[in-house]
Amino acid sequence: DAKTTQPNSMESNEEEPVHLPCNHSTISGTDYIHWYRQLPSQGPEYVIHGLTSNVNNRMASLAIAEDRKSSTLILHRATLRDAAVYYCILRVSSSNTGKLIFGQGTTLQVKP
Amino acid sequence: EAGVAQSPRYKIIEKRQSVAFWCNPISGHATLYWYQQILGQGPKLLIQFQNNGVVDDSQLPKDRFSAERLKGVDSTLKIQPAKLEDSAVYLCASSWRLRGRQETQYFGPGTRLLVL
Repeated sequence: DAKTTQPNSMESNEEEPVHLPCNHSTISGTDYIHWYRQLPSQGPEYVIHGLTSNVNNRMASLAIAEDRKSSTLILHRATLRDAAVYYCILRVSSSNTGKLIFGQGTTLQVKP
Repeated sequence: EAGVAQSPRYKIIEKRQSVAFWCNPISGHATLYWYQQILGQGPKLLIQFQNNGVVDDSQLPKDRFSAERLKGVDSTLKIQPAKLEDSAVYLCASSWRLRGRQETQYFGPGTRLLVL
């Protein structure tokens, strides 16, 4: 399974944009890029996913580099509720299993 | 829509005792996952069911862990006997179906197990 690399931690100020980077230099053409986040004392929750094009939803935006070796999750206006561990995960589209392989993730702190 | 339900939320046992966790997935979800999350790490898949059949249990320590999903709905994960290193949060997740569509997984709140 292709591996992702994320910074251990990041800080942001409330109501400012946050850019969370993820490197995945060994990504293959069939790997989708997924982001989940885990709020304190909760299970992970889905944020967004994409393959090649940039994606937007109500929670965030996903910017994917042209060579697909890196991506960035963008929170447009961070709130205190966005403080969480953010996981960048690669999923093979033709996989026989749907399992998520979590790394260490990035712990995001949001300061008021 | 109700989310994934898990019980109990917390459990404290002594080593060598047995323990069981219960999960009720979102209604209609065919695929059910059990993950183990040790403090400071990301979740790791233990076992995956499609309806009542096992799809992947390659990382399940089968000498002490067992899981079942008899009617293809709710599921039970059991540890017998427990070891100190089993202290972790046990997360249950479900998704609509298994493959090909990058299905979103919906996680429950988890059961926090402490083995003394």
